[in-house]
Amino acid sequence: AQSVTQPDIHITVSEGASLELRCNYSYGATPYLFWYVQSPGQGLQLLLKYFSGDTLVQGIKGFEAEFKRSQSSFNLRKPSVHWSDAAEYFCAVVPDGGYNKLIFGAGTRLAVHP
Amino acid sequence: EAGVVQSPRYKIIEKKQPVAFWCNPISGHNTLYWYLQNLGQGPELLIRYENEEAVDDSQLPKDRFSAERLKGVDSTLKIQPAELGDSAVYLCASSSDSSSTDTQYFGPGTRLTVL
Repeated sequence: AQSVTQPDIHITVSEGASLELRCNYSYGATPYLFWYVQSPGQGLQLLLKYFSGDTLVQGIKGFEAEFKRSQSSFNLRKPSVHWSDAAEYFCAVVPDGGYNKLIFGAGTRLAVHP
Repeated sequence: EAGVVQSPRYKIIEKKQPVAFWCNPISGHNTLYWYLQNLGQGPELLIRYENEEAVDDSQLPKDRFSAERLKGVDSTLKIQPAELGDSAVYLCASSSDSSSTDTQYFGPGTRLTVL
């Protein structure tokens, strides 16, 4: 079945540590790929997106993500986490050939320790 | 520029009562989306509008849910009657059009609690 999987429900890191959030998808062709962040009481905010080209994508707030076709993955990374990064992170895809219909993963909740 | 506006932010009702949510998209955005976000899950699309036309309502439970976007700008999502399982966050989003590369901008959502 077509799906977006975020294997980690909760992740806790120390402030200043590096971060990697995992995302795998199971769509036949290369979908369009997105990462959104949702802070408490806030709407989802787009961090970055990948459509084609360079497989390493830079986003806002110091985040980047790497598309790996062989692994059907689109993992989100940040070299040094700040306390304000504590939030929920959602990976999403628009299946190839579809209109702008976002399919979301279940999310990963990030906690940051001082 | 104002973002997507939703109201109310919170709503508590008893089961079997009706409830309505309102959304005003970003000015000039033709496409409007309503999503349902259950606790611990990602948002799921309920309905998508292109201007005033509902072009994808396949995931909308039509026995109790309805939506409208009469003038192609703001939109209302209604539930009548509400059930306990409807407790969730209802998100509205908009984009300038519905191309696959167009960014969707989300509102803060309405958190519904059905008692």
